[in-house]
Amino acid sequence: QVQLVESGGGLVKPGGSLRLSCAASGFTFSDYYMSWIRQAPGKGLEWVSYISSSSSTIYYGDSVKGRFTISRDNAKSSLYLQMNSLRAEDTAVYYCARDGVLAVTAVFDYWGQGTLVTVSS
Amino acid sequence: QSALTQPASVSGSPGQSITISCTGTSSDVGGYNYVSWYQQHPGKAPKLMIFDVNSRPSGVSNRFSGSKSGNTASLTISGLQAEDEADYYCSSYTGSSTPAVFGGGTKLTVL
Repeated sequence: QVQLVESGGGLVKPGGSLRLSCAASGFTFSDYYMSWIRQAPGKGLEWVSYISSSSSTIYYGDSVKGRFTISRDNAKSSLYLQMNSLRAEDTAVYYCARDGVLAVTAVFDYWGQGTLVTVSS
Repeated sequence: QSALTQPASVSGSPGQSITISCTGTSSDVGGYNYVSWYQQHPGKAPKLMIFDVNSRPSGVSNRFSGSKSGNTASLTISGLQAEDEADYYCSSYTGSSTPAVFGGGTKLTVL
């Protein structure tokens, strides 16, 4: 069965950095576009970043552009999010989610359980 | 890309039907048939309930249905059950360099 397991969240000071990981299993990871989506405490969902199956196409939301970097290692079936220059407003549960095979569709059929990132001094 | 507009809350009694709207623009909801709906229970990850406007993933009850007219998509839940009480989010493909946008979410209360 498809599984996505995030890790790497925690407490970090403003201006600090954190690297999130998402371990995928149960499907051919290298075939799929993947995404990071976040949810601030008590708030709605916010799409953060996309990466194509071959890493050739990458998109970022305006609120994280220039600070976050998405990457993947298909040999390890893993997705990553390097977060730099963190701000209090980046505090959220971060989910990795699976999208389509051939292209971005914004249809997220599987989600991980999420990892909490707290940015506070 | 602005968030899609959903009502903050809706409610209904067991057995009734409810509809949640999701309003966007011609650049997202109105321009593509890639509208999805997600159900989220407290403390849990979102679950895909409807994709491509009106398709259901395997295992999702046929009490859930989706539709679209112009720039507004809708999720209808018929035969409301207690376990349907949750937050519901719509999303749409946008075709831009920020290709996904979500609605603000709707809290469904089963009375």
